[in-house]
Amino acid sequence: EIVLTQSPGTLSLSPGERATLSCRASQIVRSDFLTWHQQKPGQAPRLLIHGASTRATGIPDRFSGSGSGTDFTLSISRLEPEDFAVYYCQQYGSSPLTFGQGTKVEIK
Amino acid sequence: EVQLVESGGGLVQPGGSLRLSCAASGFTFSSNWMNWVRQAPGKGLMWVSNINTDGSTTNYADSVQGRFTISRDNAKNTLYLQMNGLRVEDTAVYYCIGVTVGWGQGTPVTVSS
Repeated sequence: EIVLTQSPGTLSLSPGERATLSCRASQIVRSDFLTWHQQKPGQAPRLLIHGASTRATGIPDRFSGSGSGTDFTLSISRLEPEDFAVYYCQQYGSSPLTFGQGTKVEIK
Repeated sequence: EVQLVESGGGLVQPGGSLRLSCAASGFTFSSNWMNWVRQAPGKGLMWVSNINTDGSTTNYADSVQGRFTISRDNAKNTLYLQMNGLRVEDTAVYYCIGVTVGWGQGTPVTVSS
């Protein structure tokens, strides 16, 4: 099973700042089959990025994904008020599919 | 617009059964692997099961293997999860997801006596 470790656990930033979230895998993620998801309190998660770097339909270009192998990054170039949420990475290259434990981006 | 609409959740006693459904629209359902993911109250996301495009290959998390069965009907654009032998620890919101498509809104399952 591929274990995904996200860091930091909590990121305290102000609107307009840049956010950088890390997701490290215990083994190589096949074909960079990695996704990022955003979840706000009381809501279902929303797909942001798949294939490590492809934005899902309707996702603003301030969100970008990068990385390969075992190290992946989600960047938010300029935080908007609606971006404060919990972010999860997930790998779908091998079974069982696994999620990271999440990074909370909170308002400083 | 992609839509995934789950239904079938509810309150059930330990040992009971439920069948979840997920109606898909706005994308080519028959070309996508589909998954069920759950989230227990206050917890993170946990993958439960997935199924390939024609239903011939299924995978399960160890915690549900032998109790849950995933299936699909491509003619109806619908994904299913038959849950038998439910346990208190299966209490969660269950989401239908296509990993490159998106998430449904979830259906809550509560297992309690």
